[in-house]
This record gives sequence, structure tokens and C-alpha cells, in this order.
Amino acid sequence: GAGVSQTPSNKVTEKGKYVELRCDPISGHTALYWYRQSLGQGPEFLIYFQGTGAADDSGLPNDRFFAVRPEGSVSTLKIQRTERGDSAVYLCASSPRVSDEQFFGPGTRLTVL
Amino acid sequence: GDSVTQMEGPVTLSEEAFLTINCTYTATGYPSLFWYVQYPGEGLQLLLKATKADDKGSNKGFEATYRKETTSFHLEKGSVQVSDSAVYFCALSQYGNNRLAFGKGNQVVVIP
Repeated sequence: GAGVSQTPSNKVTEKGKYVELRCDPISGHTALYWYRQSLGQGPEFLIYFQGTGAADDSGLPNDRFFAVRPEGSVSTLKIQRTERGDSAVYLCASSPRVSDEQFFGPGTRLTVL
Repeated sequence: GDSVTQMEGPVTLSEEAFLTINCTYTATGYPSLFWYVQYPGEGLQLLLKATKADDKGSNKGFEATYRKETTSFHLEKGSVQVSDSAVYFCALSQYGNNRLAFGKGNQVVVIP
């Protein structure tokens, strides 16, 4: 079946612009996670959703970052006033339930010029 | 906070050699431990896991044992193949909180 998909695969933007990154989880998975992976580092947790609500957003670096999952399926990560330090690969994962294995998408590579 | 440390640098070895990648962790309580693998051009995949002390996770010829006394979860494979070339990440999560904390990863290159 279809895995986790993320769009776009690559996004180049200018400093100060607004960007949206989309994640389509595996159908029926109730838990959805966002991670950020900087060059040469492991993924860092940003936020996770159980259904429509953000169960833990303690990894969001500041208030320029926001994520939604209005219908409990697709999620959008939103970044306002982008900075060069936001450049990274943004990974999405989903799992059937919170305690289950997480399945990762291919990521969106964000480059802020 | 919880953290995972992996040995520094890439690992290059010949086909059929023995592979070890070290992983140690710092965490309160009794976390679950994982190894994830990222093959070239693909997303992260769970390779194996262990949820309590002395458990051994195994998959595709890889093994790792949860050692609470040394807070370690080293990955081993007895005879690597070229197809094992990938980046390997050690990770942990706490019970009741499924957020994963990853190490920096190790690039493994297997030469024919």
C-alpha cells in the first residue's frame, strides 16, 4: 500500500518568506509526527498529533513554526518569516497508534536563501 | 533531557567483514531503544528494537542487545554485504511518549 508522502520534495525560498510543507500519512494512522534533520545530524522531534490535536509540540523551536491536522489525516507544517537556519530536511512519520512503529516519509528539503 | 550518542565518523569496511556501531544513551527510567536505517534515496526504516533490559532485537542479520548496566545498544552484523551500505541511526523513546530522540547517525560503506 501507499506509504507516507510529503510534498514538495524540495522547496527553495528566500529569507523572510512563508512556507507550507505537507504530509499525507498512511491511511488509518491516527498518530502523526514531524521531525527536522539538519545536515550531518539525526532527526530532531518537532511535534506530534494524536488525531486532530497536537499532543506534544514541545519540539517546535519558536513561534514561527506551527502545524495543523484539521481532519485527523493530512498535516501541514507552516513556517513564518523563514530564516537561513531553518534550512533542513523536514520529515513526517505516522503510526497506527501512538505506541506503534513510526513509518517515515521521504522528507521535504527546505533551503532558505 | 534524553539523548543518544553514536560513535564518530563514517565506517568503511569490506564485504563479509564484521560490523559494530556503538550507541550509548542517557535517559531517565526505562526507554525503548531502536536502530533505524536510511538506504540511499529512501526514507528512514525501522531496523530493530528492544523495549526492556537484556532484550535482543534482530533483523536482516543485524542484532543489538539492550544493556542497562552500560546504557548501551550497540549494533552488530557478522558478515556485511554491499547492500548494507546506508546510514544507521540509534534512537530512544520513553514509555507513554512516542517522540524519538536520535543519535547523529553513522554512514556505513561496504566495499566489494
